[in-house]
Amino acid sequence: EAGVTQSPTHLIKTRGQQATLRCSPISGHTSVYWYQQALGLGLQFLLWYDEGEERNRGNFPPRFSGRQFPNYSSELNVNALELEDSALYLCASSFYQSIQGNYGYTFGSGTRLTVV
Amino acid sequence: AQSVTQPDIHITVSEGASLELRCNYSYGATPYLFWYVQSPGQGLQLLLKYFSGDTLVQGIKGFEAEFKRSQSSFNLRKPSVHWSDAAEYFCAVGALKGRGSTLGRLYFGRGTQLTVWP
Repeated sequence: EAGVTQSPTHLIKTRGQQATLRCSPISGHTSVYWYQQALGLGLQFLLWYDEGEERNRGNFPPRFSGRQFPNYSSELNVNALELEDSALYLCASSFYQSIQGNYGYTFGSGTRLTVV
Repeated sequence: AQSVTQPDIHITVSEGASLELRCNYSYGATPYLFWYVQSPGQGLQLLLKYFSGDTLVQGIKGFEAEFKRSQSSFNLRKPSVHWSDAAEYFCAVGALKGRGSTLGRLYFGRGTQLTVWP
């Protein structure tokens, strides 16, 4: 089974530019989550998409946005990049089967965004 | 408010020694608990998870964790540490959302950095 796939692996942008990060969930997973891991700040929750809808949003400014496509893949857009946006951006996908009580929450390898 | 506390920022052990990483959580709903490991520059790899059943959970790489509801704890243990276990370890908690059909966001602790001496 293929895991959560993120692209690109590394991304270098100039302050003020826009960045687009992509995530493909595990097949059958309908929920996708985005987290930011900046140096010294731990894992910060950004966005959660499920069935194409934004379900929850973390404490980030509106220039962080995203969407989920019909095939459940997702895109994170960061506009007007600032130096402090430099971080590892992690995507995760999940599944839950109520009858079996089976569930999973799997992370990708991340996109390293560097803003210069 | 939901939160996860990992009181140890950094732990150093000798190879072959036993290990226990502490995790305490605060969550209003029935918690789904996770332990992840992260090597430098990498994503998070799931070690083990717990929702219900036997409170001692076995995971990958020889790790286990014990859920103690009375103490709101989910400590990670390994009887004998290997040099390859050096990494950062994260405890996380989440819950079912919506109509109870999907997991919501996870709340993470700040992580415990494990150093292993040869």
